[in-house]
Amino acid sequence: DSGVTQTPKHLITATGQRVTLRCSPRSGDLSVYWYQQSLDQGLQFLIQYYNGEERAKGNILERFSAQQFPDLHSELNLSSLELGDSALYFCASSPDGGMNTEAFFGQGTRLTVV
Amino acid sequence: GESVGLHLPTLSVQEGDNSIINCAYSNSASDYFIWYKQESGKGPQFIIDIRSNMDKRQGQRVTVLLNKTVKHLSLQIAATQPGDSAVYFCAENTSGAGSYQLTFGKGTKLSVIP
Repeated sequence: DSGVTQTPKHLITATGQRVTLRCSPRSGDLSVYWYQQSLDQGLQFLIQYYNGEERAKGNILERFSAQQFPDLHSELNLSSLELGDSALYFCASSPDGGMNTEAFFGQGTRLTVV
Repeated sequence: GESVGLHLPTLSVQEGDNSIINCAYSNSASDYFIWYKQESGKGPQFIIDIRSNMDKRQGQRVTVLLNKTVKHLSLQIAATQPGDSAVYFCAENTSGAGSYQLTFGKGTKLSVIP
């Protein structure tokens, strides 16, 4: 158990809908990262938050957004869902987001868009 | 664009033998590399990391070798065990200090034959 909790574990929704994925980082970790894992693209970095502020952005679509709350949990919002958004979404956390720290991944949320 | 890739998509080894998983990277500016292990249904699990000012780093049963001249990274697993069966990803930190924005390779599936 990495200490990173993601909910829900599975999510099935229809095209055009909006969903929210939730991540609770390890106790004490200030940084949260979101990754998308699909069969054709592999693991892709989406976005990073550090202590409530956006720190870095990767290949995140405009239909997707995220935030980190004062209690440091994070949510990833996916809207106007398309079939191609079906993937595993992972959250990772690290103490401070610097290069000298290890990031721990949660078990992921499997999103299926039908 | 620049990316991290793997030479072999699958690798089968006999239990007790040593395993070598290779990875080529193309971003010469990357200076931090990580190997992750992902078991079925789980999130990536950190194995070992290495900085570009090192050629070799050893952990418990694992060794990572970095050859910056040819931009090549390898993971060696000694005395491979059935529990080592998983998909292994190499990843590079392309963002420098202050972030853990990783670019992942496609992955190599390691199967250990009992």
